[in-house]
Amino acid sequence: NAGVTQTPKFQVLKTGQSMTLQCAQDMNHNSMYWYRQDPGMGLRLIYYSASEGTTDKGEVPNGYNVSRLNKREFSLRLESAAPSQTSVYFCASNPMGDAYLSNYGYTFGSGTRLTVV
Amino acid sequence: KQEVTQIPAALSVPEGENLVLNCSFTDSAIYNLQWFRQDPGKGLTSLLLIQSSQREQTSGRLNASLDKSSGRSTLYIAASQPGDSATYLCAVSPPSKSTFGDGTTLTVKP
Repeated sequence: NAGVTQTPKFQVLKTGQSMTLQCAQDMNHNSMYWYRQDPGMGLRLIYYSASEGTTDKGEVPNGYNVSRLNKREFSLRLESAAPSQTSVYFCASNPMGDAYLSNYGYTFGSGTRLTVV
Repeated sequence: KQEVTQIPAALSVPEGENLVLNCSFTDSAIYNLQWFRQDPGKGLTSLLLIQSSQREQTSGRLNASLDKSSGRSTLYIAASQPGDSATYLCAVSPPSKSTFGDGTTLTVKP
């Protein structure tokens, strides 16, 4: 099925460890996003990529890096994990950037549940 | 800065009741507004998207309206069912990225 695929679905890290969350979409969307969702905090944008080759900081970028590897893939890296990064991470894509396709809005992945101990 | 508010934070209704969920936003210069459903432990599923030039969209028992001038959108659910129990979020988009509300958690009691 077409959509946004995130891996892994679950991960437990020790403080100071690093890891990369992977995201791929097969809808030929221009824009991709990484959000974190925490109880009582809603969805907060970490980084986004409006188009292949560009990335920009969102609301809460500290402690993260991203790579837009190609049009399909957008990865999120935690260089030195901290307990404050325990969260559910969602990748999303959106055709916005191409006005013709902007009727279709966001498509979300199923999330990565990360615990940092 | 765009701010999106969803009130109430939680709502409990008996099965069969019609209900309205609210979404308010502070900046009317939006591109579109999207309603999502999130089940516990799951991702967001898109329900309806309304372009800024549209007034409403319908899908089955769902009807979403948009009033840009007043900064409001409503999601109407007809004849609610226990399977409608979930958190409903709205997101408003400028051309670059969206601002999400915190959601309304709906419980439909059998």
